[in-house]
Amino acid sequence: DTAVSQTPKYLVTQMGNDKSIKCEQNLGHDTMYWYKQDSKKFLKIMFSYNNKELIINETVPNRFSPKSPDKAHLNLHINSLELGDSAVYFCASSHGTVTYEQYFGPGTRLTVT
Amino acid sequence: GDSVTQMEGPVTLSEEAFLTINCTYTATGYPSLFWYVQYPGEGLQLLLKATKADDKGSNKGFEATYRKETTSFHLEKGSVQVSDSAVYFCALSLTDSWGKFQFGAGTQVVVTP
Repeated sequence: DTAVSQTPKYLVTQMGNDKSIKCEQNLGHDTMYWYKQDSKKFLKIMFSYNNKELIINETVPNRFSPKSPDKAHLNLHINSLELGDSAVYFCASSHGTVTYEQYFGPGTRLTVT
Repeated sequence: GDSVTQMEGPVTLSEEAFLTINCTYTATGYPSLFWYVQYPGEGLQLLLKATKADDKGSNKGFEATYRKETTSFHLEKGSVQVSDSAVYFCALSLTDSWGKFQFGAGTQVVVTP
């Protein structure tokens, strides 16, 4: 019954490693997002896909690469992890892109050591 | 650019007290406005929304009115419970922003018995 799910919930890894976070939604939405929440709870959008097409690509390092194999899935791959990448990453989805509310996943807490 | 400003926390209240969290915004167009709540260790949940001036959003005893003249969307609850302890985010979305939400910094609310 989970609407937006993410795996893993926790991810602890060393600097320089490559890791992926997966997101799936079963709401039938056509738009999905990745957000980064820092230690002060500040939320910033990173990417957004609409019908598998990238529509928002904020200024993030190109070590971050999103992939949307279909409308229900959006993955985030991070290369060469750095200490500053430690944060909570949230996936979200919405029906359309115009003022509709977004539904968030539970988050993935990434810790880079 | 578009932005949301929230009052800083933490806001500490006793159970049954009245809660107000101020939120003001700056936007080039006519945004939709949202309040999200994040309970510890969880993702964000939509609390309420308003899509045009003078609309009032309400849910679970919380209310907020879209005030265009003061560019504000303050959140209120008449009698808080310990279970309302969470971080509250005000957010805006513009129709031409491809679903890009601008979040405030969040306000932590702590309700004590």
